[in-house]
Amino acid sequence: AQRVTQPEKLLSVFKGAPVELKCNYSYSGSPELFWYVQYSRQRLQLLLRHISRESIKGFTADLNKGETSFHLKKPFAQEEDSAMYYCALRRNRDDKIIFGKGTRLHILP
Amino acid sequence: DAGVIQSPRHEVTEMGQEVTLRCKPISGHNSLFWYRQTMMRGLELLIYFNNNVPIDDSGMPEDRFSAKMPNASFSTLKIQPSEPRDSAVYFCASSFGQGANTEAFFGQGTRLTVV
Repeated sequence: AQRVTQPEKLLSVFKGAPVELKCNYSYSGSPELFWYVQYSRQRLQLLLRHISRESIKGFTADLNKGETSFHLKKPFAQEEDSAMYYCALRRNRDDKIIFGKGTRLHILP
Repeated sequence: DAGVIQSPRHEVTEMGQEVTLRCKPISGHNSLFWYRQTMMRGLELLIYFNNNVPIDDSGMPEDRFSAKMPNASFSTLKIQPSEPRDSAVYFCASSFGQGANTEAFFGQGTRLTVV
C-alpha cells in the first residue's frame, strides 16, 4: 500500500535561514505528489504539485524517484511561513489522496 | 463557487449521542473525501467516494462510523454512538479527476468535541 512519511513533527527555523521539510513516499509507480499548507485557523490549501514544477511563495519541491522523496524547500524563511505542512500522494486522478502526518514549521524571529 | 461547505463548524455532544456531519462539495467535482485530523495521527482518510459511490472505506475506524453520498452535491458522515475519542476536526474535500487541477479542495472542517 502507498504511504507518505514526514519524519519531523516540528521544525523550528530562524527567519532568513533555509527551510527543508522532508517527505518520503512508498509506491512503486509514478504518483502525483502535493504539498498542502494549513495556516492557523484556516482550511488546508494546496501549496504546490510536482507536475507543475513551479515555485509558490518561494517554495519549491523536486520529485526524486530514486530516493522516493519530495522534499519542500525555501532558501530564506519568512515569519508568515509558520504553518502546518502536509505532503500528499495520489496514484492516479480518480484515486484517494493519502497524507503524511504533517510537519509544523515554526519560524523564529 | 463558494468552495467545499461543511456544517456545523463546531459540534459539542455528549457521549452516546448521534452526530451527523455534512458536506457540500464543489459543483462538478466527482470525488469526495472525508478526513479526520488529530494531533497524534495527523490527517487520516476515513472514506472516499467517486461519482457518489464509496470506493474505499478502509479508514473508517469502526462500525459506529458511516458515510453516505445520496447525490453529487451532498454527503454525510455519521457517528452513532459517539465516544470521547472521536473528538477531532473532520474535513471534507472534493476534487475533479480531469484537467490540470486534480488536487483536493478542503472545507473549513467541523470541530467535534464529545464529552
